[in-house]
Amino acid sequence: GNSVTQMEGPVTLSEEAFLTINCTYTATGYPSLFWYVQYPGEGLQLLLKATKADDKGSNKGFEATYRKETTSFHLEKGSVQVSDSAVYFCAMDTGRRALTFGSGTRLQVQP
Amino acid sequence: DTEVTQTPKHLVMGMTNKKSLKCEQHMGHRAMYWYKQKAKKPPELMFVYSYEKLSINESVPSRFSPECPNSSLLNLHLHALQPEDSALYLCASSQEEAGTQATQYFGPGTRLLVL
Repeated sequence: GNSVTQMEGPVTLSEEAFLTINCTYTATGYPSLFWYVQYPGEGLQLLLKATKADDKGSNKGFEATYRKETTSFHLEKGSVQVSDSAVYFCAMDTGRRALTFGSGTRLQVQP
Repeated sequence: DTEVTQTPKHLVMGMTNKKSLKCEQHMGHRAMYWYKQKAKKPPELMFVYSYEKLSINESVPSRFSPECPNSSLLNLHLHALQPEDSALYLCASSQEEAGTQATQYFGPGTRLLVL
């Protein structure tokens, strides 16, 4: 079946450190892939997306590349800030219009 | 503009109450969704409306009753809820594009507490 697997959290980093949050997927066909961010007490915000292999999504210094050969969509940022502290969800849409979410990864950035 | 609004922001209700959650979008999207999110968990799909018709019901108990009065509005009517229904209820919308995956945009959610 379709599934999304994310690395376990929490991830704790110092300000200006490099961030990687791993995400792999299992799906038939060619899903669209998304990263959503959820700040404490808020809803989900779309961070970035990619709709086909080798596409790179980017926003606010975050990047992720759709890797079909490794079925991955890892999230990266070169220098994190305290304000990036949130829960990050990797998700995919296989065309059924129902998103399949990963379990979420909590990021804590310390000053 | 990619804004989805939800009201109320917080709701406390007893198990015998009837209440409604409201969601609104003005992006011209033709698909709208209700999700339920428990603490420290990802959102779980409840319902999908496509062109104002219910297209997906993920086996949700009948005490949750969705309604789509027009293409911009989505309601979730609540009746005789249980304490375990306490959660963050998220609404989302997307451009309905046949045969492609469309980006879903989420509202801020309604945090529901059932006493």
